[in-house]
Amino acid sequence: GQQLNQSPQSMFIQEGEDVSMNCTSSSIFNTWLWYKQEPGEGPVLLIALYKAGELTSNGRLTAQFGITRKDSFLNISASIPSDVGIYFCAGRAAGANNLFFGTGTRLTVIP
Amino acid sequence: GAGVSQSPSNKVTEKGKDVELRCDPISGHTALYWYRQSLGQGLEFLIYFQGNSAPDKSGLPSDRFSAERTGGSVSTLTIQRTQQEDSAVYLCASKWGGRDGELFFGEGSRLTVL
Repeated sequence: GQQLNQSPQSMFIQEGEDVSMNCTSSSIFNTWLWYKQEPGEGPVLLIALYKAGELTSNGRLTAQFGITRKDSFLNISASIPSDVGIYFCAGRAAGANNLFFGTGTRLTVIP
Repeated sequence: GAGVSQSPSNKVTEKGKDVELRCDPISGHTALYWYRQSLGQGLEFLIYFQGNSAPDKSGLPSDRFSAERTGGSVSTLTIQRTQQEDSAVYLCASKWGGRDGELFFGEGSRLTVL
């Protein structure tokens, strides 16, 4: 089956620092998504990417769909305490109905 | 409703008992998904519904797991003869049938099998 490798597994950063995390796939995806999950909640969609090479921003978040279609990254600039949570990448292959999720990056922001 | 609603939010059961988990998707969403999230892990796809039919059941881990959807709305995930390894958070998500990828998740049902 398709494997999504997400890194790093966890990050401890100071408030105000920038964050970068990425995801790689063993196969090609047509859609890359980034979700954030807070304790006791379901994942919430942050950014959706539908084209290879696409670079999309949502406030302090920026994500890119890799040109090989096998990777994506998420950057968070000027982190704040409420950025704390687990960030998941997710990908959908052509013709597939389901999203495959990465194992998550747990972000801790130290005030 | 305004969001995806799941019940119960927490369920503790004894090994060997059956459990039912319910999902109310966002009104008008034709596609419904079940995922399982074990402690500290990512999301594992279980099953997908388009309307009332389930074209993709590939993620169900064993024949103890089944799901149905009625009226193109509410879905029930049933786990028979629960085992301790079934302990996890079961997440339901729904989306419009159109553009792909934008799943809206419920808060999950946390299942603990003793």
